[in-house]
Amino acid sequence: EAGVTQSPRYAVLQEGQAVSFWCDPISGHDTLYWYQQPRDQGPQLLVYFRDEAVIDNSQLPSDRFSAVRPKGTNSTLKIQSAKQGDTATYLCASSFLGSSYEQYFGPGTRLTVL
Amino acid sequence: QQQVRQSPQSLTVWEGETAILNCSYENSAFDYFPWYQQFPGEGPALLISILSVSNKKEDGRFTIFFNKREKKLSLHIADSQPGDSATYFCAASDDAYKVIFGKGTHLHVLP
Repeated sequence: EAGVTQSPRYAVLQEGQAVSFWCDPISGHDTLYWYQQPRDQGPQLLVYFRDEAVIDNSQLPSDRFSAVRPKGTNSTLKIQSAKQGDTATYLCASSFLGSSYEQYFGPGTRLTVL
Repeated sequence: QQQVRQSPQSLTVWEGETAILNCSYENSAFDYFPWYQQFPGEGPALLISILSVSNKKEDGRFTIFFNKREKKLSLHIADSQPGDSATYFCAASDDAYKVIFGKGTHLHVLP
């Protein structure tokens, strides 16, 4: 069974630039999560979906961050006008409602904003 | 306010010793407590978890001890191996979806 895949693995950009992260969850997993993990911190939930619907995006900085999962499979997280404070690893995870509570994480995208 | 606190921030043990990682939480509504293991360059992976109805959970060399009254739990890693060197995150949730992570404990196991 293929795990959660993410791309790109690394991104470096200047303040003010935009960037998109892509996630392909485990096949059949209906719930998809995006986390932000600053250096030497634990992951912090940004948004999660059940199928194509946003369940909770209360921690997503909505003025610059957006996330979609249009067909209930792959997902894209986008940052408009990145700031140095956005420097972190962005993790995608997926899980299946009705199975264990386990969330399966991808390897993450390490973002550096100069 | 940090809802899930972990200590120590860093821990070094010798191979074969038992490593003890501590965790405490604020929200009495939390009822699911997973521990995740993360190696550099990788995403976290679930190691072991416990529900608040239990006070102990074992899986091989890994044991969670849970004290609901004191809102504390600990992860014991018996017979620690160099391959156990990683960052360990204690997490908590009241619905199994919105999981709150602590800041992690960096474990170093010396051969």
